[in-house]
Amino acid sequence: DTEVTQTPKHLVMGMTNKKSLKCEQHMGHRAMYWYKQKAKKPPELMFVYSYEKLSINESVPSRFSPECPNSSLLNLHLHALQPEDSALYLCASSQDRDYGYTFGSGTRLTVV
Amino acid sequence: GENVEQHPSTLSVQEGDSAVIKCTYSDSASNYFPWYKQELGKRPQLIIDIRSNVGEKKDQRIAVTLNKTAKHFSLHITETQPEDSAVYFCAASKNDYKLSFGAGTTVTVRA
Repeated sequence: DTEVTQTPKHLVMGMTNKKSLKCEQHMGHRAMYWYKQKAKKPPELMFVYSYEKLSINESVPSRFSPECPNSSLLNLHLHALQPEDSALYLCASSQDRDYGYTFGSGTRLTVV
Repeated sequence: GENVEQHPSTLSVQEGDSAVIKCTYSDSASNYFPWYKQELGKRPQLIIDIRSNVGEKKDQRIAVTLNKTAKHFSLHITETQPEDSAVYFCAASKNDYKLSFGAGTTVTVRA
């Protein structure tokens, strides 16, 4: 299996909702990432988990809460989001630092 | 932090011609330089990467060159085809988990 699987593909949520994004990989990669991408822009790093521990939080607002239940799974819990949080949320994994990423297809999130 | 500049922002080429995208980076400690291709509505995909101990790398119609002294690296696509139309991102990292991306180049291959 050489893929990163993300669910759901699309999500519309109200500003008072709580939802979760899920990401799974079975390549044995030790690093997993959450990125946010706005239209026509490069991906922006949000969080990095390495060896199942949170190693980087790019000063992301607390309404985004990551979780790494095991080496294959990564979740992003969403609560009280704002319309400006609408974007494509990409999960990625890599063998370790300084290795190419495999990106998931992303979750297109719309906050209404 | 690392700053990666990418040029041009858009590039239109005739099918069969070559395309070149250039990136510069600011941190001399950067040692890993991947390139990603993102087709419209799709995920970014790694197409080629190079490490600082190598000056050039080729994979069929794609090549990347690295000039550490000048702190720039370039993507070369030869014999372009319509399926090469996409946004291309360069990136750099320095032995950590942070990739700094360039702003992207939208490549259009005219048939």
